[in-house]
Amino acid sequence: DAKTTQPPSMDCAEGRAANLPCNHSTISGNEYVYWYRQIHSQGPQYIIHGLKNNETNEMASLIITEDRKSSTLILPHATLRDTAVYYCIVRESYYGGSQGNLIFGKGTKLSVKP
Amino acid sequence: DGGITQSPKYLFRKEGQNVTLSCEQNLNHDAMYWYRQDPGQGLRLIYYSQIVNDFQKGDIAEGYSVSREKKESFPLTVTSAQKNPTAFYLCASSPGASSGNTIYFGEGSWLTVV
Repeated sequence: DAKTTQPPSMDCAEGRAANLPCNHSTISGNEYVYWYRQIHSQGPQYIIHGLKNNETNEMASLIITEDRKSSTLILPHATLRDTAVYYCIVRESYYGGSQGNLIFGKGTKLSVKP
Repeated sequence: DGGITQSPKYLFRKEGQNVTLSCEQNLNHDAMYWYRQDPGQGLRLIYYSQIVNDFQKGDIAEGYSVSREKKESFPLTVTSAQKNPTAFYLCASSPGASSGNTIYFGEGSWLTVV
């Protein structure tokens, strides 16, 4: 089962920041949080990942709470092309005996509206 | 360009036939994965390989087979034993199995049983 909980859908106005929340209360100390997005009929696109510290790249920012039980993905200026399903995933640690797999939930469907 | 190439993009299969989906990567990644996605659902792991000549079953391996004879190639065979093979299939790769290594996805292959 997925280790994360996300709202099923969200709306955002074009040009505004999109803040997508994720709960991962059972995350282990060496497990990273990953964000991907998927547009229909395409492969998931990697966005960003982090362990403890906040991270930023050219696509987004990732804010992880100090207790690591939740995180927020921020798209600073959403465009219509950001409409997609966004997956928050905790990647298992292979060396802990698991598969090192990404376990996908159902994600959040983000709709950016003009 | 570096990346993951899946072929064919669309494939139709008659019931009782085996089909093989190709996945090639030129990223020099050690780990490769096959996922299945059904409409409106998240991805589920079929098989994974952390190194050449080795692979492991994922959560839904029944009716599928793989090989990893070369580092860059990880073909998936959907056998006639797979009772409900119509789905979107995604290949992925990663530099390694630890949680901090990002998994990247190909563009996917649609398989339809007719």
